[in-house]
Amino acid sequence: AQSVAQPEDQVNVAEGNPLTVKCTYSVSGNPYLFWYVQYPNRGLQFLLKYITGDNLVKGSYGFEAEFNKSQTSFHLKKPSALVSDSALYFCAVRASNAGNNRKLIWGLGTSLAVNP
Amino acid sequence: EAGVVQSPRYKIIEKKQPVAFWCNPISGHNTLYWYLQNLGQGPELLIRYENEEAVDDSQLPKDRFSAERLKGVDSTLKIQPAELGDSAVYLCASSSIGLGGAETQYFGPGTRLLVL
Repeated sequence: AQSVAQPEDQVNVAEGNPLTVKCTYSVSGNPYLFWYVQYPNRGLQFLLKYITGDNLVKGSYGFEAEFNKSQTSFHLKKPSALVSDSALYFCAVRASNAGNNRKLIWGLGTSLAVNP
Repeated sequence: EAGVVQSPRYKIIEKKQPVAFWCNPISGHNTLYWYLQNLGQGPELLIRYENEEAVDDSQLPKDRFSAERLKGVDSTLKIQPAELGDSAVYLCASSSIGLGGAETQYFGPGTRLLVL
């Protein structure tokens, strides 16, 4: 069965410090992995995705994520956090060989709080 | 490029009343999704359309929920009658097949429904 885990409900980090939001997954075969961000009272905004190739994926707003196949992880990172990064972050996955069943499996989200 | 448009943004109704949500996807996106999102949780897929065909409606509570996408462009999601437990945010997303077959879903701002 496909699944996504975001082990931390909340992450707190000081402004200017590096941040990491963790995601691990389980799929049959190779994964397509996604990160989205949701600001209060807003829809989800796409940050980045991994399809194949380079394990380090760069996305919007200075975020990046590293795909680690052996650890089945896709952690989101940013070298220097901003207060404006405070939001809810979602990881999602689906199998690359899903055929017509392209349903994304979503994590429960991690609330990031960046303190001034 | 205009994003996914949803209306209304907010809706307050009494239980047992009907309610409808409208979504206009990004131009050229053949796939349209309706999700339900409860507070502090990830989105849950209700229905997925490929053009005008509903290809995955297994999670749609068909006794009270219905959806249509008659011309393969905009879509309407209806609840009749609404129940207290339907209070949530209803998100619409659209996508098209991207590089390597991995589509990216782009979300609208959502409709926040409150059933009293």
